[in-house]
Amino acid sequence: DQQVKQNSPSLSVQEGRISILNCDYTNSMFDYFLWYKKYPAEGPTFLISISSIKDKNEDGRFTVFLNKSAKHLSLHIVPSQPGDSAVYFCAARSSSGGSYIPTFGRGTSLIVHP
Amino acid sequence: DVKVTQSSRYLVKRTGEKVFLECVQDMDHENMFWYRQDPGLGLRLIYFSYDVKMKEKGDIPEGYSVSREKKERFSLILESASTNQTSMYLCASSPPGVSYNEQFFGPGTRLTVL
Repeated sequence: DQQVKQNSPSLSVQEGRISILNCDYTNSMFDYFLWYKKYPAEGPTFLISISSIKDKNEDGRFTVFLNKSAKHLSLHIVPSQPGDSAVYFCAARSSSGGSYIPTFGRGTSLIVHP
Repeated sequence: DVKVTQSSRYLVKRTGEKVFLECVQDMDHENMFWYRQDPGLGLRLIYFSYDVKMKEKGDIPEGYSVSREKKERFSLILESASTNQTSMYLCASSPPGVSYNEQFFGPGTRLTVL
């Protein structure tokens, strides 16, 4: 049973427009959420994160929004650039019980067309 | 900068062979992880270790074992490789406990089992 779901396997966006990647979770104990970006033949790299005490975190062109009541988070990329083309993984973890292992979604492949 | 290195980028082995995948990190991180990434399945945790000689099973440990004799090195062992273990293997490390933010990933090893 997937606790972290990225329901869109792929997303295609025009350069300069907004990319919105979505992530849903089922475990209400998750209190920290992360986005990773992965290029082919490379390991994932950390992109941005958000704690459950916030509803928004912004870093340059990247903004993550968290809606706890809906158990939903989204990553906004504005403006999108061709170099943003990659697979994006959503991850969530819980601090309770001493567990710190993140649970990853299956990823969304973003293609930004010039 | 944290650096996580993996011994091979590409590896081809035959069914039944014993395979060793090595991972080394240079940031004195307590936690180390092994994942496999398959299309449509995201990142799945095989094993992790939070200290030297300590190991914990992840979500898919069957067919794998690990070794952590030194803090900086975490090895993944396929005792008898099978074709369904053809995958991208990713090693990661992180500081201890719940205070950390993100994991740092190596570049991955693309393993093909014939």
